Amino acid sequence: GESVGLHLPTLSVQEGDNSIINCAYSNSASDYFIWYKQESGKGPQFIIDIRSNMDKRQGQRVTVLLNKTVKHLSLQIAATQPGDSAVYFCAGGTSYGKLTFGQGTILTVHP
Amino acid sequence: EPEVTQTPSHQVTQMGQEVILRCVPISNHLYFYWYRQILGQKVEFLVSFYNNEISEKSEIFDDQFSVERPDGSNFTLKIRSTKLEDSAMYFCASTFGVSGPSTGELFFGEGSRLTVL
Repeated sequence: GESVGLHLPTLSVQEGDNSIINCAYSNSASDYFIWYKQESGKGPQFIIDIRSNMDKRQGQRVTVLLNKTVKHLSLQIAATQPGDSAVYFCAGGTSYGKLTFGQGTILTVHP
Repeated sequence: EPEVTQTPSHQVTQMGQEVILRCVPISNHLYFYWYRQILGQKVEFLVSFYNNEISEKSEIFDDQFSVERPDGSNFTLKIRSTKLEDSAMYFCASTFGVSGPSTGELFFGEGSRLTVL
């Protein structure tokens, strides 16, 4: 079946550094992949997505890379700020909005 | 900025009781969802709803669960007889999707925490 999971549960970085959060998926029928950010006590917040026929997409300070050969997804955050501290989830999605979430990585940014 | 709103923010109930969680999706959205997150675990899909009917549901969404859009604004999740393992944060989400949601940009509410004792 489809599953989406994360390599590392926690990541600590210094303010201003670049962060890379990784995600692996297996046997996916996803049409697209998404990164969500979840702050404590709040719902998931969309960051960026990428369609399954693409390998890179850039947003504001964020870049998502998709490697279908090894079924790997990553989120790169440039110049990480304390406000970026949160749990980051990858998810695979189908055309009807059903998302399969990974376990989550806790990103901590130290001033 | 439009947002998905959920009530209550926290509900405590006794096992076996019925619970209704309410959501007001963003007004021009067409697709509605319920997800849940057990403490410390990943977010899990429960059900999707479009055109006044369920589009898809997960294995979690058994006969104890039901959804309804009773009017033009509310979207509810009912759990008929709660179990201890239903304790979780329940998130409502919505998206516009002209011809079906084609991106991951679901807008999530802040969640309703359900505690079953």
